[in-house]
Amino acid sequence: DTGVSQDPRHKITKRGQNVTFRCDPISEHNRLYWYRQTLGQGPEFLTYFQNEAQLEKSRLLSDRFSAERPKGSFSTLEIQRTEQGDSAMYLCASSSTSGRHVYEQYFGPGTRLTVT
Amino acid sequence: QKEVEQNSGPLSVPEGAIASLNCTYSDRGSQSFFWYRQYSGKSPELIMFIYSNGDKEDGRFTAQLNKASQYVSLLIRDSQPSDSATYLCAVSAGGTSYGKLTFGQGTILTVHP
Repeated sequence: DTGVSQDPRHKITKRGQNVTFRCDPISEHNRLYWYRQTLGQGPEFLTYFQNEAQLEKSRLLSDRFSAERPKGSFSTLEIQRTEQGDSAMYLCASSSTSGRHVYEQYFGPGTRLTVT
Repeated sequence: QKEVEQNSGPLSVPEGAIASLNCTYSDRGSQSFFWYRQYSGKSPELIMFIYSNGDKEDGRFTAQLNKASQYVSLLIRDSQPSDSATYLCAVSAGGTSYGKLTFGQGTILTVHP
């Protein structure tokens, strides 16, 4: 069990550019979640997958954001035409829907995005 | 009204004291309750979870849940300077959104020697 990993850890981009982040969940976890956290706030839910199916998206999520989990393993989060307000820490978490630790979410280290 | 509310603090306690962190939530259908610890610049780390009314103890940590009052708390006994962090309360919705977490803004805890 190597934990949740995210890549890159830091990303600096110019306004208007597209960025893509990757998350690799804990191997036996079938659920994968994306959250966004800004300074002084708790994480805010963006979307989640069970296996390859995207089950829910936050209604606050702009159409510029899209996420995929094509084979039910890793996931990508893409932000198109980035804006300065997108600057935040993007967190990925995973959990299992069965077993001893059902629904307990474990977070990766996060990707810090800075839009200049 | 925020869905999950925490006193943002900061809460300052002396080393060895009991730190008490509180959280209220608005959705009566909430099923599961979690406490995460977050050090500055790091991601949240799960430290406690509780599903049923009452107390749950794990080492120096005790989580308390009162669903009728929509209240969750975390007690940290024998607080250590290494406990200084932001503590996040998270609540999982029921029904079809089960598993999705809604977080409070966090309480900053400082344990001073």
